Amino acid sequence: NAGVTQTPKFQVLKTGQSMTLQCAQDMNHEYMSWYRQDPGMGLRLIHYSVGAGITDQGEVPNGYNVSRSTTEDFPLRLLSAAPSQTSVYFCASSFSARFTYEQYFGPGTRLTVT
Amino acid sequence: ILNVEQSPQSLHVQEGDSTNFTCSFPSSNFYALHWYRWETAKSPEALFVMTLNGDEKKKGRISATLNTKEGYSYLYIKGSQPEDSATYLCLMNYGGSQGNLIFGKGTKLSVKP
Repeated sequence: NAGVTQTPKFQVLKTGQSMTLQCAQDMNHEYMSWYRQDPGMGLRLIHYSVGAGITDQGEVPNGYNVSRSTTEDFPLRLLSAAPSQTSVYFCASSFSARFTYEQYFGPGTRLTVT
Repeated sequence: ILNVEQSPQSLHVQEGDSTNFTCSFPSSNFYALHWYRWETAKSPEALFVMTLNGDEKKKGRISATLNTKEGYSYLYIKGSQPEDSATYLCLMNYGGSQGNLIFGKGTKLSVKP
């Protein structure tokens, strides 16, 4: 199993550009989520999904869109990048949406918006 | 606003020392608590998932306890090794809702040989 994969590893965008961060898991996990990690702050939940076709907002959803058309994939879209979105982004998955199961994290995407 | 506090922020110990750190959380609506180990340049890896008051979990030299009534969890490392150097994160889920997740800021452990 590859686990949770993310692409790209690094990205530089200009303000106003759009892009999609890719996330995939091959463990048939029900729950997937996106976090951002900023200096001095804990990981913060952006969006999550409890199954194909079902998504919802986390703590910091503004400026991001997600979709979940398959169990495996959970892309994160930045529609119009802003410098405040400079961060490290982590995708995670879990067997179940019940939090009695651990989360598996991808390697992260470091995004810089200039 | 709910908050998860971890203390200390950082810790420096010598190889062989035993150490412990704390995750404090609001006890109301507690559902589950996770501990993760996060090495530099890697991604977080799960250590423990804890749900019941009085839970104790152990993995090798690392163990954790949970007190949901007073709102804290302890992580213990016995006989620290340089490879234990990492940031240790706790994650709380409250109310059971999938969006109600709060990470602490972590405790950064450095173990000197």
